[in-house]
Amino acid sequence: AQTVTQSQPEMSVQEAETVTLSCTYDTSESDYYLFWYKQPPSRQMILVIRQEAYKQQNATENRFSVNFQKAAKSFSLKISDSQLGDAAMYFCAYGAGGTSYGKLTFGQGTILTVHP
Amino acid sequence: KAGVTQTPRYLIKTRGQQVTLSCSPISGHRSVSWYQQTPGQGLQFLFEYFSETQRNKGNFPGRFSGRQFSNSRSEMNVSTLELGDSALYLCASSPGTFEQYFGPGTRLTVT
Repeated sequence: AQTVTQSQPEMSVQEAETVTLSCTYDTSESDYYLFWYKQPPSRQMILVIRQEAYKQQNATENRFSVNFQKAAKSFSLKISDSQLGDAAMYFCAYGAGGTSYGKLTFGQGTILTVHP
Repeated sequence: KAGVTQTPRYLIKTRGQQVTLSCSPISGHRSVSWYQQTPGQGLQFLFEYFSETQRNKGNFPGRFSGRQFSNSRSEMNVSTLELGDSALYLCASSPGTFEQYFGPGTRLTVT
């Protein structure tokens, strides 16, 4: 079974600084996708960034970028120029095709605090 | 495009009762997935429907069931509620790719 592990229950960063959230996963699949979702206090899950496993290039969305290390099964999220609005719970998620289509497996989450 | 909508947003039920939650996906999305979020267990996959067929199911007891209608709207039902069913229930829709777009959730409290 696929598992996703986020080893940092909480992280904090100063406004305008950079922070990296860690995620590792375990799978025997070759075709899969990885995601970072943000859940602010409103509880609305927001897709931050996605990475296709077959792509070697790391995904980037504005201030958000990932470091995807396929061999190490590592998928970290870097937030640059942190803003107060980035404060939220961040979830790493894994999705695969075949019999698992439509199912995302989530990590336990990392609470990010942004200090002014 | 309107986002995923879930109704009701909050619900209080008594142990032993049953409950039905509703989810309307983003227009054009044919896949709807349901998740349960609790402080102890985190986010857990319940089931996924595509074109009115359940394609995938998580490890939940048979008290949890769902269905999807021809307009892609989905409902999930929980029968014989237990205190442990108190949770945030999230619905997500997908256009057929792997990414999912979530609704605001339904907060269920069982007393």
